[in-house]
Amino acid sequence: QVQLVESGGRVVQPGTSLRLSCAASGFTFTLYAMHWVRQAPGKGLQWVAMTSIDGTNNHYAGSVGGRFTISRDNSKKSLFLQLNNVKTDDTGLYFCVRGDISGWSLEHWGQGTQVTVSS
Amino acid sequence: SYEVTQPPSVSVSPGQTASITCSGGSVGTNSVSWYQQRPGQSPVLLIYEHSSRPSGVPERFSGSKSGNTATLTIRGTQVMDEADYYCQAWDRSTVVFGGGTKLTVL
Repeated sequence: QVQLVESGGRVVQPGTSLRLSCAASGFTFTLYAMHWVRQAPGKGLQWVAMTSIDGTNNHYAGSVGGRFTISRDNSKKSLFLQLNNVKTDDTGLYFCVRGDISGWSLEHWGQGTQVTVSS
Repeated sequence: SYEVTQPPSVSVSPGQTASITCSGGSVGTNSVSWYQQRPGQSPVLLIYEHSSRPSGVPERFSGSKSGNTATLTIRGTQVMDEADYYCQAWDRSTVVFGGGTKLTVL
């Protein structure tokens, strides 16, 4: 079955960097766009970024553009999110999500990795 | 960027029908999906392409769209349906989520 396992979340200070990873299994990774979605404590879902099946076409939410970079390694069935110059508003649970085959929906979600930005 | 609006909360009695709306410009022009998130769990896809259900989603969940408003309907609501529900659309090449609706079954 589809499995998405995130890692890399931790407590960091404002202005620093960290990298999140997502290990995918149970499906043909190269057929699907991938997304990162985050959820601040007690808040709703906020889409962060997506990457196309080959990683050449990436899109970002306005609040993270220029600071975050999404990437993928199809040979390792892995998705990444590089977070630079983090802010306290970046605190939240970061979900790795697989799109559906049409590309319109976010079909499978990981359990999330917690990022806390605090001084 | 487009915003997608949902009511913050909806209440329903067990066995009754609950309706959750989702409105906005991007709703009218793009495919709409719905997600259920129970407390402490990851979201689950409930409805895609306005009205289609993934395998395993109970038939009591249905979706529809008219103009700039999409609606998630839950017929015969059960206590286990108490959760947060999010609609999702697209704004050009970016994903937009509604603010979420907390469904209370009492």
